[in-house]
Amino acid sequence: DQQVKQNSPSLSVQEGRISILNCDYTNSMFDYFLWYKKYPAEGPTFLISISSIKDKNEDGRFTVFLNKSAKHLSLHIVPSQPGDSAVYFCAARIQGAQKLVFGQGTRLTINP
Amino acid sequence: EPEVTQTPSHQVTQMGQEVILRCVPISNHLYFYWYRQILGQKVEFLVSFYNNEISEKSEIFDDQFSVERPDGSNFTLKIRSTKLEDSAMYFCASSDKSSGSNEQFFGPGTRLTVL
Repeated sequence: DQQVKQNSPSLSVQEGRISILNCDYTNSMFDYFLWYKKYPAEGPTFLISISSIKDKNEDGRFTVFLNKSAKHLSLHIVPSQPGDSAVYFCAARIQGAQKLVFGQGTRLTINP
Repeated sequence: EPEVTQTPSHQVTQMGQEVILRCVPISNHLYFYWYRQILGQKVEFLVSFYNNEISEKSEIFDDQFSVERPDGSNFTLKIRSTKLEDSAMYFCASSDKSSGSNEQFFGPGTRLTVL
C-alpha cells in the first residue's frame, strides 16, 4: 500500500533554518491531509492539517502547502528548533471514510 | 489538556494467548480508533468505532480481533489468539467529528510482544 509516500527517510537541518518535509500521494479521493510528529515511546501528536479545497494552512511556525495537481504536500517549519527533532508522518483521509493512511515517516534532526 | 491514555504500556504474552489492550479516549469525543505499527513499518489502520458499533475496519482486522466500549469511558481491543506477527505498537485514537476536520488524537501506545 503506497498511497502516501514520504521519500526522504531522514532530514538534517541547522537550528534557525527552514525545515521542509515532503509527502506525495496517489489517491485522488483523499480530501484531508494531516501532519503528525512522533517522539520515541510516544504516540503521534497532531500538528497541522489541510483540506483538499485549500492550498495553504498556517499555524505559528508550521505551514502546510498542498499542490493537488502534483498530488504533493509539504510541511514547512520556520525557524527550526531543537525540540522539533522527531519523526514526522504525513497522513491522508479518503473522502467519506474515517481511516487515516500514513506515510513511512521522515526523521528530522535539528542541529545546533 | 485532555489526552488519550492507554494501558498497559507494555504487554508480553505467549503465542495463542488472549490479550486485551485498554484505552480511555478524550471524554467528549465520539469516534474511536485502533492503529498499529510493526517495528520499522508504517502506522496502519485497524478499526474505527462509532455509536457502539464498528464503522470501518481494515483487512488486518480479522475474526481474531474485536473491540468494545464496555462503559462510558473505556475502549478496548481484544486479540483472541495472539500470533508472533501481532507483535507491534498499538495506538488508540479518538476524534470529535463535529469539529469538521477529523483530527485524530493518539494515545502513547501499548507495545505488544508475542513470544
